[in-house]
Amino acid sequence: GAGVSQTPSNKVTEKGKYVELRCDPISGHTALYWYRQSLGQGPEFLIYFQGTGAADDSGLPNDRFFAVRPEGSVSTLKIQRTERGDSAVYLCASSPHIDNYGYTFGSGTRLTVV
Amino acid sequence: AQSVTQLGSHVSVSEGALVLLRCNYSSSVPPYLFWYVQYPNQGLQLLLKYTSAATLVKGINGFEAEFKKSETSFHLTKPSAHMSDAAEYFCAVSITGTASKLTFGTGTRLQVTL
Repeated sequence: GAGVSQTPSNKVTEKGKYVELRCDPISGHTALYWYRQSLGQGPEFLIYFQGTGAADDSGLPNDRFFAVRPEGSVSTLKIQRTERGDSAVYLCASSPHIDNYGYTFGSGTRLTVV
Repeated sequence: AQSVTQLGSHVSVSEGALVLLRCNYSSSVPPYLFWYVQYPNQGLQLLLKYTSAATLVKGINGFEAEFKKSETSFHLTKPSAHMSDAAEYFCAVSITGTASKLTFGTGTRLQVTL
């Protein structure tokens, strides 16, 4: 597609529920990144993929968070047993390959845990 | 580890006035530096990037930034502010070997008044 697409744009869920957030990167981009942006803060790195494999998941806060990219394109961020502290905007970005030259972000999914 | 500090969470300028948004970085190795802009309900958009070439970097929408190693700074400037520049601006750093994993500052909200 023309840009990085994230769905849903907004998600409200109850504490303890399971959620999935989807990211559709720019076609042909092999690198995909997830960030989380809490209110009043800059984005914080969660995980990145090179192709299908999670090359660095050091930013995932705990084992309730998991992400997959089974075919090297679309990625899903999965959060189990959601907590109110998980409320944030989850941002996805992609780039043609791993480099240090910046990448394209999606508009994000605003997750609210009530 | 690398980090960035953005001085001033809010900056207000008059339309037509100089815009100066400050960013200082900390890195044990030569960094790559970025400025992103975030408009309300939109994703982050890359304004400009420094990747060890020219120290004065020109970006989109008339913005530029100068890498000053001696001051560990990468301040963002624009000679004449426009109402459409009102947004949140984020400085970010990455270092070679981290696969473009970005560390963001906390952001500066720019307000432009008539």
